[in-house]
Amino acid sequence: QSALTQPASVSGSPGQSITISCTGTSSDVGGYNYVSWYQQHPGKAPKLMIYDVSNRPSGVSNRFSGSKSGNTASLTISGLQAEDEADYYCSSYTSSSTSLWVFGGGTKLTVL
Amino acid sequence: EVQLVESGGGLVQPGGSLRLSCAASGFTVSSNYMSWVRQAPGKGLEWVSVIYSGGSTYYADSVKGRFTISRDNSKNTLYLQMNSLRAEDTAVYYCASSEDSSSPRGFDYWGQGTLVTVSS
Repeated sequence: QSALTQPASVSGSPGQSITISCTGTSSDVGGYNYVSWYQQHPGKAPKLMIYDVSNRPSGVSNRFSGSKSGNTASLTISGLQAEDEADYYCSSYTSSSTSLWVFGGGTKLTVL
Repeated sequence: EVQLVESGGGLVQPGGSLRLSCAASGFTVSSNYMSWVRQAPGKGLEWVSVIYSGGSTYYADSVKGRFTISRDNSKNTLYLQMNSLRAEDTAVYYCASSEDSSSPRGFDYWGQGTLVTVSS
């Protein structure tokens, strides 16, 4: 069982917007502004899409945005494109005694 | 251009050992924190270990006492020594690094991964 909770799947049509939630606790998502999001295509390494809750690394499309409220972070993808179809993982720094970073279980995004 | 290239994966029997390597280019391994993150087949990501620029190391409870992270600055390479391997350690192992050594913001750069299979 993953430390952070994400929906197993979401879907949307090209051009639409979707939001993926990531729920943790006050020890991770709620306690730090160190939430990050990763995109992973099949057989490929993860790619950083969002860091520090809402910042985009250079080269990442501004169609990707992040936010946080309490213990829940969210990733929104606007203007869905076929190449956005992938698995998405949230992650947070944590004060847990068992780990320094925790991940969500991943969300499969299907572009219809 | 930053590049991370892992090697050393393979098939090992339960109780056995393996050492993974991650050769870095485009930056110095001692300048940023570097981690190992693994992904069991068909599963999600799991953080395994980190070594900070100052040399401090930390481990997930699931590998503490069995895995050791280290680096060789002269070779600009990160290592993960894995002992007492178990079936549940079977995974693709990624090395990952951050662009900001002062913030635990996550991992900007990832290698392509190396598969470790623990089976008799």
